[in-house]
Amino acid sequence: SAVISQKPSRDICQRGTSLTIQCQVDSQVTMMFWYRQQPGQSLTLIATANQGSEATYESGFVIDKFPISRPNLTFSTLTVSNMSPEDSSIYLCSVEDPTYAYNEQFFGPGTRLTVL
Amino acid sequence: KQEVTQIPAALSVPEGENLVLNCSFTDSAIYNLQWFRQDPGKGLTSLLLIQSSQREQTSGRLNASLDKSSGRSTLYIAASQPGDSATYLCAVIRPGGSYIPTFGRGTSLIVHP
Repeated sequence: SAVISQKPSRDICQRGTSLTIQCQVDSQVTMMFWYRQQPGQSLTLIATANQGSEATYESGFVIDKFPISRPNLTFSTLTVSNMSPEDSSIYLCSVEDPTYAYNEQFFGPGTRLTVL
Repeated sequence: KQEVTQIPAALSVPEGENLVLNCSFTDSAIYNLQWFRQDPGKGLTSLLLIQSSQREQTSGRLNASLDKSSGRSTLYIAASQPGDSATYLCAVIRPGGSYIPTFGRGTSLIVHP
């Protein structure tokens, strides 16, 4: 399966600042996804990031708050901008591994963000 | 809109018990269903994927079944161990479009020695 790494693994940030999270995959993938998991909740999709095109955001998420880059087929970044305590969550990237049938999804280890 | 429900929300059992975790979904038109494990504060580990045409999948002590017509899946864990303690999430993918999964809230499992 695809091996996915994320940086940083955790961070504590001040209100009003921004944090960029990196996601690296060990193989080329077409589709990458960014999720948020708030404390005690399940995963909520933020956006889909395809290489060479603008990210597609889900309802309730906007580019100004969560800008995404996808410069190549193995890398993506998610920035959480102008942070508030409500942004404290685990942020996860995932991919569909093209070597697996039926769009099996694989996830990175997550970035635990705490905003003070 | 697809909704995924997992029951129970939490479960605490002694080591050695056989367990059944339940997942139900409202729209039976699914492409596949995937079970994940999540350790506290960590990412998700894929356990099993069941295609819409399949009824079950097995991996070691895990067996997942799928009944599309009734909108249900179960994850069976045999001879539970303390290392199985984690949150178990099911995700349903609908056909067409970008195959984005809808997740349940998970079942938090504690297996005590």
